Amino acid sequence: AQSVTQLGSHVSVSEGALVLLRCNYSSSVPPYLFWYVQYPNQGLQLLLKYTTGATLVKGINGFEAEFKKSETSFHLTKPSAHMSDAAEYFCAVLSNTGKLIFGQGTTLQVKP
Amino acid sequence: DAGVIQSPRHEVTEMGQEVTLRCKPISGHDYLFWYRQTMMRGLELLIYFNNNVPIDDSGMPEDRFSAKMPNASFSTLKIQPSEPRDSAVYFCASSLSGTSGGRYEQYFGPGTRLTVT
Repeated sequence: AQSVTQLGSHVSVSEGALVLLRCNYSSSVPPYLFWYVQYPNQGLQLLLKYTTGATLVKGINGFEAEFKKSETSFHLTKPSAHMSDAAEYFCAVLSNTGKLIFGQGTTLQVKP
Repeated sequence: DAGVIQSPRHEVTEMGQEVTLRCKPISGHDYLFWYRQTMMRGLELLIYFNNNVPIDDSGMPEDRFSAKMPNASFSTLKIQPSEPRDSAVYFCASSLSGTSGGRYEQYFGPGTRLTVT
């Protein structure tokens, strides 16, 4: 069965600092991996996805993630945090039954 | 496109009452998903449809929950009778089947915040 673990339920960074949100997955098949962002009182919005091909994936708002099979990881990064990046971030893996399995989420706080 | 539309945005009801949540997916999308989000359990998939047919309802918590999709542009999630533990944010999402993960690129609505007192 597929599963996702997001390390750290809360991450706090200063504006302009590197953002690193960690995600490890478990999958018995080549995974399809996703990062979603949820702003307060809104639904989830797709940031980026990995299906096949290039392991470094670029998404919206300057975010990117790298698929590392050997580490079963798909960490999300952004070189320089903006105040508007404050939100909750969800990593997800596609299950072999076609469902998206979400992690528990990481709340990103950006300090001025 | 207006995106996925959900109504109502907020619902407060008393225990035992029937609650109906509504969703209009993005036009042309052929998959529709219902999720529930709580602090304790995170984001849970309740049920999903393909071409208006329920494919997997294993996430539906119990018989008090039911979902229908009478046509491609409308779905409902009903709770009868409602209980305080049903309080959560319920999201509807839709997607379009296609190549290489496209089907799984889900577009979420703004959610319905349900409070059962």
